[in-house]
Amino acid sequence: GEDVEQSLFLSVREGDSSVINCTYTDSSSTYLYWYKQEPGAGLQLLTYIFSNMDMKQDQRLTVLLNKKDKHLSLRIADTQTGDSAIYFCAEKYGGYNKLIFGAGTRLAVHP
Amino acid sequence: EPEVTQTPSHQVTQMGQEVILRCVPISNHLYFYWYRQILGQKVEFLVSFYNNEISEKSEIFDDQFSVERPDGSNFTLKIRSTKLEDSAMYFCASRLPGDSNQPQHFGDGTRLSIL
Repeated sequence: GEDVEQSLFLSVREGDSSVINCTYTDSSSTYLYWYKQEPGAGLQLLTYIFSNMDMKQDQRLTVLLNKKDKHLSLRIADTQTGDSAIYFCAEKYGGYNKLIFGAGTRLAVHP
Repeated sequence: EPEVTQTPSHQVTQMGQEVILRCVPISNHLYFYWYRQILGQKVEFLVSFYNNEISEKSEIFDDQFSVERPDGSNFTLKIRSTKLEDSAMYFCASRLPGDSNQPQHFGDGTRLSIL
């Protein structure tokens, strides 16, 4: 069945780049999404990429997609303390846009 | 920016009681979803809803669960007889009509605690 896997924890120094990785299994996925969850808050859509693209950049965020390896990454440039959160990778599955989520990567940014 | 709103933010209920979780989707959105996240586990799809009927549901969404759009703005999730294992964060989401790849926008969730 469909599955999305992420590493659970990432610690970076403020000002460095963060790279959060994700792998998925559904080869028919057309869109892949990144959501951010701050403590006590909901899921905030950060960005998404269509599967015929290799890369998408949006300000400090860069999404890279390797469709052959079913590997997705989110790079955050110049990571700030406000970026500390849980980041979820999700793939669209099925005709009604059901999302399959990874377990989330907790990003900790330290001085 | 328009957002999905959910109430209450935290609901505490005795086991066996009925609970209704409420959501107000973004006003021009026509597809609605419920997800849940048990503490320490993945966010799981429960149900999708369009044109006043369920379009898809997961194995979790059994006869104890129901959804309703009672008026033009609210979207509710009802659990008839709650169990301890229903304790979780419940997220409502909505998206625009048309292209099925339109992103879903989520509310802040309702934390449901069953005692």
